[in-house]
Amino acid sequence: SQTIHQWPATLVQPVGSPLSLECTVEGTSNPNLYWYRQAAGRGLQLLFYSVGIGQISSEVPQNLSASRPQDRQFILSSKKLLLSDSGFYLCAWSVRLAGARNEQFFGPGTRLTVL
Amino acid sequence: DAKTTQPPSMDCAEGRAANLPCNHSTISGNEYVYWYRQIHSQGPQYIIHGLKNNETNEMASLIITEDRKSSTLILPHATLRDTAVYYCIVRDPTAYSGAGSYQLTFGKGTKLSVIP
Repeated sequence: SQTIHQWPATLVQPVGSPLSLECTVEGTSNPNLYWYRQAAGRGLQLLFYSVGIGQISSEVPQNLSASRPQDRQFILSSKKLLLSDSGFYLCAWSVRLAGARNEQFFGPGTRLTVL
Repeated sequence: DAKTTQPPSMDCAEGRAANLPCNHSTISGNEYVYWYRQIHSQGPQYIIHGLKNNETNEMASLIITEDRKSSTLILPHATLRDTAVYYCIVRDPTAYSGAGSYQLTFGKGTKLSVIP
């Protein structure tokens, strides 16, 4: 069966510090991978998605970046965190099917607080 | 993606069936009904999806009306761990209009409280 891991589970970082969140998927190959942010009491915001190694699409301009160095590894980074970067960061995966937006499976999330 | 309407909250006694309704009167022919839930402080969890036939898996059953304008998610024997916000969304998995097509947009959902 497939599993998705995210770490760390929680993180408290000062403004201006760097960020690196990691997501790995097991039990599947060639997945689509996604990074979402969920601010307190709000819906999901898609930040990045990837359909393959080194292929990253960004949904919103921001000080965050993403990388996919391996097929089942997705990394979210920032060089300098802002207060507004606080939130619940979720990684998700879906089966890659040409022309299909099928169901997405989410990781446990990382709760980031920027002080 | 078509709009859905769900009751804001529901209670269910532990061990009883939880029936969560969803209205999607503007659903189009190629759109599927998907259900997710989010337990407090956890990531969303995919539950089930269907097009027009009723579906069942190890988590739940999905009943879709013949005109497809509404559906019901059934948790046959609710437990305290089923307390969560349940989201019904409709999507055409084959429609692609750019990068934003991958965005999952949840509405306010139904907060299900399972009572001991």
